[in-house]
Amino acid sequence: DQQVKQNSPSLSVQEGRISILNCDYTNSMFDYFLWYKKYPAEGPTFLISISSIKDKNEDGRFTVFLNKSAKHLSLHIVPSQPGDSAVYFCAASASGNQFYFGTGTSLTVIP
Amino acid sequence: DVKVTQSSRYLVKRTGEKVFLECVQDMDHENMFWYRQDPGLGLRLIYFSYDVKMKEKGDIPEGYSVSREKKERFSLILESASTNQTSTYLCASSPLGYRDGNQPQHFGDGTRLSIL
Repeated sequence: DQQVKQNSPSLSVQEGRISILNCDYTNSMFDYFLWYKKYPAEGPTFLISISSIKDKNEDGRFTVFLNKSAKHLSLHIVPSQPGDSAVYFCAASASGNQFYFGTGTSLTVIP
Repeated sequence: DVKVTQSSRYLVKRTGEKVFLECVQDMDHENMFWYRQDPGLGLRLIYFSYDVKMKEKGDIPEGYSVSREKKERFSLILESASTNQTSTYLCASSPLGYRDGNQPQHFGDGTRLSIL
């Protein structure tokens, strides 16, 4: 059973607007959450993370929000740029060693 | 910068062949991982290793084995390749026990494997 879920396979956003990518998880033992970005023919690259003691973490245009009671996290990209077009994976970990990944959301930013 | 290098970007093999995928990392990481990525299924963990000669099954280990004889090298073996193993294979490494502020998993660029 998938412990980390991304229910939107794709998302299209106009350049300059906000992109919101969502992720749900089922395991209440998860204490670290990460977002990765993946371009075609490349490996995923780390984008931003959040620990369960926080509810928000910001890094430039990227902000991750964590709602532990809803077991939900989201990634906000503001403003969105064409170079942000990629597949975004969320991941979660309880041990700090094994990571569980979602199925990915393909973001297209339209110029 | 951490470098995770996978030996092949593209590979074509025949059913029944024994296939070796090699991965090397240069940051002295304890953990190494093999995933496969398939459309609509995301990244699924095949095997991981905490240390030399240690291995743990992931979510989909059937049909695969691994070898970690040296800390920097983690090999994935398809014992008898089948068409349903056509996929993109990703290797990753990370320090032991990720914590906030530490480096998370670093990935190689992947191997696109086709089994005919």
